[in-house]
Amino acid sequence: EVQLVESGGGLVKPGSSLKLSCVASGFTFSSYGMHWIRQAPKKGLEWIALIYYDSSNKYYADSVKGRFTISRDNSKNTLYLEMNSLRSEDTAMYYCAKDNNYPFAYWGQGTLVTVSS
Amino acid sequence: DIQLTQSPSSMSASLGDRVSLTCQSSQGIGNYLSWYQHKPGKPPKPMIYYATNLADGVPSRFSGSRSGSDYSLTISSLESEDTAIYYCLQYDEYPLTFGSGTKLEIK
Repeated sequence: EVQLVESGGGLVKPGSSLKLSCVASGFTFSSYGMHWIRQAPKKGLEWIALIYYDSSNKYYADSVKGRFTISRDNSKNTLYLEMNSLRSEDTAMYYCAKDNNYPFAYWGQGTLVTVSS
Repeated sequence: DIQLTQSPSSMSASLGDRVSLTCQSSQGIGNYLSWYQHKPGKPPKPMIYYATNLADGVPSRFSGSRSGSDYSLTISSLESEDTAIYYCLQYDEYPLTFGSGTKLEIK
């Protein structure tokens, strides 16, 4: 059974940094690209980043480009999202997701990030 | 970036009704469109992929269709558990983009 478990969320001040993790199990992690998606309070879903299975390519939404970095450690079955220069508009539930033969076939339960002074 | 426009933004319908939600793309995306059902407190659930294909475990009352740059998610007979927000997603090019969602409620 595919499982994705996010962690690392919390309350931080504007301008600070935070690193999210997503531990994967139930599949061969090193064979799949992985995504981060978020949902701000009372807003819709926003895709924010993708990393290829071998880290050879990374893509970002314009809203986070230059501030967020997606990475992975295939030896630890773990996906990361390093978030710098956090803003109030980054407040959201952050999900990791895995494709199957279609995008976002599997999702974690999410981790909440709150950016507030 | 490709923009997806969903309509209506919200709607209510009765149990047993046939319901159609629409998603219009600002550019050609072929069939690279999927639909997700999102309920409060849960992660989104994939419903339809490649415009017309049912995702794993999705009831057959759900279907997807395409006419040009217009895409539809149809529920043939609405059930109470279908209350949710439905989002479309284009995955033809990066950045991937979602529509703004349709909130579906039961009358």
